[in-house]
Amino acid sequence: EPEVTQTPSHQVTQMGQEVILRCVPISNHLYFYWYRQILGQKVEFLVSFYNNEISEKSEIFDDQFSVERPDGSNFTLKIRSTKLEDSAMYFCASSEPNRGYATQYFGPGTRLTVL
Amino acid sequence: GNSVTQMEGPVTLSEEAFLTINCTYTATGYPSLFWYVQYPGEGLQLLLKATKADDKGSNKGFEATYRKETTSFHLEKGSVQVSDSAVYFCALGQGAQKLVFGQGTRLTINP
Repeated sequence: EPEVTQTPSHQVTQMGQEVILRCVPISNHLYFYWYRQILGQKVEFLVSFYNNEISEKSEIFDDQFSVERPDGSNFTLKIRSTKLEDSAMYFCASSEPNRGYATQYFGPGTRLTVL
Repeated sequence: GNSVTQMEGPVTLSEEAFLTINCTYTATGYPSLFWYVQYPGEGLQLLLKATKADDKGSNKGFEATYRKETTSFHLEKGSVQVSDSAVYFCALGQGAQKLVFGQGTRLTINP
């Protein structure tokens, strides 16, 4: 069964460094998403992406964040200058909306630790 | 805006007990409703879904019915197992828009 994959599974970085989190969505999906989950808290939406542009973003997704689909398979989240509060689990998801509703399928996540 | 409220956890039950995790929502229009499960150390897995009022989603013995009149989507299972121990998230979505999650309910099943 097709699944969303993410790399790396765990990333440790120093505050102020740039990180790139990578995702490979399910191949025939058209919509892509990033969410994050700070330890012990709820899952929060960051950004959605369709047709090579951002379709929606949250207040969390400020100028430090960017997304890109550099080729036909990868979808990346870049954090330009990491802060301590960026430490979280980051989930990528993808969906192929059908008949007005969509089911989002999630990857296993990347745990980001900012020191 | 849209929101989802889940019952407070954690919930601890004995094996073979009956499980209910409450979920209520606030939304405009006609959202789809989902339950996701997160096993220890893993990502989010879709457990079940319902896309319109009175639909019942089911999977692995879990069920939830989309109740528009009470704006609810409670998760139930008749007889839980130790392997059901996980965090359960109720979520709401509309079309291709973002999912809005509840705060999650940690479930522990003791043998």
